[in-house]
Amino acid sequence: QQQVKQSPQSLIVQKGGISIINCAYENTAFDYFPWYQQFPGKGPALLIAIRPDVSEKKEGRFTISFNKSAKQFSLHIMDSQPGDSATYFCAASSYGNKLVFGAGTILRVKS
Amino acid sequence: NAGVMQNPRHLVRRRGQEARLRCSPMKGHSHVYWYRQLPEEGLKFMVYLQKENIIDESGMPKERFSAEFPKEGPSILRIQQVVRGDSAAYFCASSPTRDEQFFGPGTRLTVL
Repeated sequence: QQQVKQSPQSLIVQKGGISIINCAYENTAFDYFPWYQQFPGKGPALLIAIRPDVSEKKEGRFTISFNKSAKQFSLHIMDSQPGDSATYFCAASSYGNKLVFGAGTILRVKS
Repeated sequence: NAGVMQNPRHLVRRRGQEARLRCSPMKGHSHVYWYRQLPEEGLKFMVYLQKENIIDESGMPKERFSAEFPKEGPSILRIQQVVRGDSAAYFCASSPTRDEQFFGPGTRLTVL
């Protein structure tokens, strides 16, 4: 019940295209859903986060869509750029406690 | 405002030695979390601390691992008698409010 399932494992997108990464969870106590971006040899960087009281949040080219009834959330990267090539992790937590991470998606944006 | 600092960035130990990993949270952050990332895997929670208190250690192995966050100074993750399976990247994150967690650059531990 503590798992967060992330898909796809890897993704190749053309420059200018839309990258979509999906996550699903079981624990209805989760109340905070962040996305992190990680480059090789670096720590994860917080990209964007959402709470269950809203269905969508947009920051620049990054959008989180949240479906509470389906217990799913997704990250959309609009106008994907080669510099977006990285590993993306979804995560979830309840009441500010430990983050439970998905397995990660390796994104490659082809120029 | 400096980010989360971790040192050393790389640490090499022989089997049976001790490893000490240090984490200085961002200024004003009193919540510290430690995570481990094995090669080609996601991040796994280890322990959550506030100043002088362990809040949740459900992800810590029962033996050889310990963590502290003293009133003064950095948080320390200590691994005694390291084994090859301890080789991983260890990340510290800090938070001002128990929500947003900001990660440090990590310590990459290699056990020979």
